[in-house]
Amino acid sequence: QSALTQPASVSGSLGQSIAISCTGTSSDVGGYSLVSWYQQHPGKAPKLMIYEVSKRPSGSSNRFSGSKSGNTASLTISGLQAEDEADYYCSSYTTSSTVVFGGGTKLTVL
Amino acid sequence: EMQLVESGGGLVQPGGSLRLSCAASGFTFSTYWMTWVRQAPGKGLEWVANIKHDGSGNNYVDSVKGRFTISRDNTKNSVYLQMNSLRAEDTAIYYCARAARNMDVWGKGTTVTVSS
Repeated sequence: QSALTQPASVSGSLGQSIAISCTGTSSDVGGYSLVSWYQQHPGKAPKLMIYEVSKRPSGSSNRFSGSKSGNTASLTISGLQAEDEADYYCSSYTTSSTVVFGGGTKLTVL
Repeated sequence: EMQLVESGGGLVQPGGSLRLSCAASGFTFSTYWMTWVRQAPGKGLEWVANIKHDGSGNNYVDSVKGRFTISRDNTKNSVYLQMNSLRAEDTAIYYCARAARNMDVWGKGTTVTVSS
């Protein structure tokens, strides 16, 4: 049950697009289309932004999109806004019937 | 409005026990898997355990197996986490979340501190 690998930090300017990667193995990310992405602002609970690789729940901005290739999933945020500055976590279902999170990525909006 | 409210956190000595509760409202609780996720101070999210909608199945992260037990009472719209043999590394905010994989509703969390 090793954590998925995410970059510790990414940054982008207002209006630009950024991507956050999430790398796992064939036992989790690569084995299922069950990757989710969560946004967490300081002192707040996480918020689901993307589920099942690329689906957006109601309440999630269409500026957020997800994709997957092999053992790596990605979250793309387009048209960066100040309120996007937060920590982002990926998660995946695993062959052990558990869920594993990534280590988290801190997004800074310049 | 869908809501999850955790309670039961606090300060406990190493080796001690604590029982967390999570009360759900605003949705049909008995039809959803439920999950506990924790976050140590300054650290990332860690999935802890989940339980099937009818309580007939559950899963745990290796680090809590044999020490933590997840349960639920659908008549009370509540899910619980019994934590025994607590260690310093169990110190965290514990969140309750709806669903097994795509956790779409979260509580605000309850803080557990394990220290002498």
